[in-house]
Amino acid sequence: RKEVEQDPGPFNVPEGATVAFNCTYSNSASQSFFWYRQDCRKEPKLLMSVYSSGNEDGRFTAQLNRASQYISLLIRDSKLSDSATYLCVVNGGYQKVTFGTGTKLQVIP
Amino acid sequence: ETGVTQSPTHLIKTRGQQVTLRCSSQSGHNTVSWYQQALGQGPQFIFQYYREEENGRGNFPPRFSGLQFPNYSSELNVNALELDDSALYLCASSYADRGTYNEQFFGPGTRLTVL
Repeated sequence: RKEVEQDPGPFNVPEGATVAFNCTYSNSASQSFFWYRQDCRKEPKLLMSVYSSGNEDGRFTAQLNRASQYISLLIRDSKLSDSATYLCVVNGGYQKVTFGTGTKLQVIP
Repeated sequence: ETGVTQSPTHLIKTRGQQVTLRCSSQSGHNTVSWYQQALGQGPQFIFQYYREEENGRGNFPPRFSGLQFPNYSSELNVNALELDDSALYLCASSYADRGTYNEQFFGPGTRLTVL
């Protein structure tokens, strides 16, 4: 089993739609979690941290489920500019940081 | 922009050669991590430097080595280049304090092609 798994997609959704991505992790001792966004041929950029209680930033909501060992990202009212690859990042402690392979999102006009 | 810079932006080498990639971390950060990202894959953790010492290493052979300098800038060295080393190499800086992990900020990367 991979340490961090994501559905690679692509998720093709119309503008205005709501889309959700999940990411599962295998290390139950993982300490912190993040979502990054990566545009084609660019570096990853931090989208948001994921807190135990769940957190929201505008149209983006992140959730953590420690019991089932997954994190999720919900995007509401999708914009064309949301088209990108979304990377799940898990810190397993001792600075052992693992990225998922990413989920590709394409928002269609 | 994150304030993390990398050089060079692009590089072409041949098999067997050696390469050095450079990274300047964001002001106030004391930790630098290096990642290799092959096309269509997520970044793979190579190693991390904290206060000039290696502080964790991924599943990469010893021919991948690094340094961190007193100003927290860093180098990644790769010896005996192989074709599979062709990738985007990303540097990320962060601030580590008492074992807590804070978010990392990435530089634009160096795209290495090995022929």
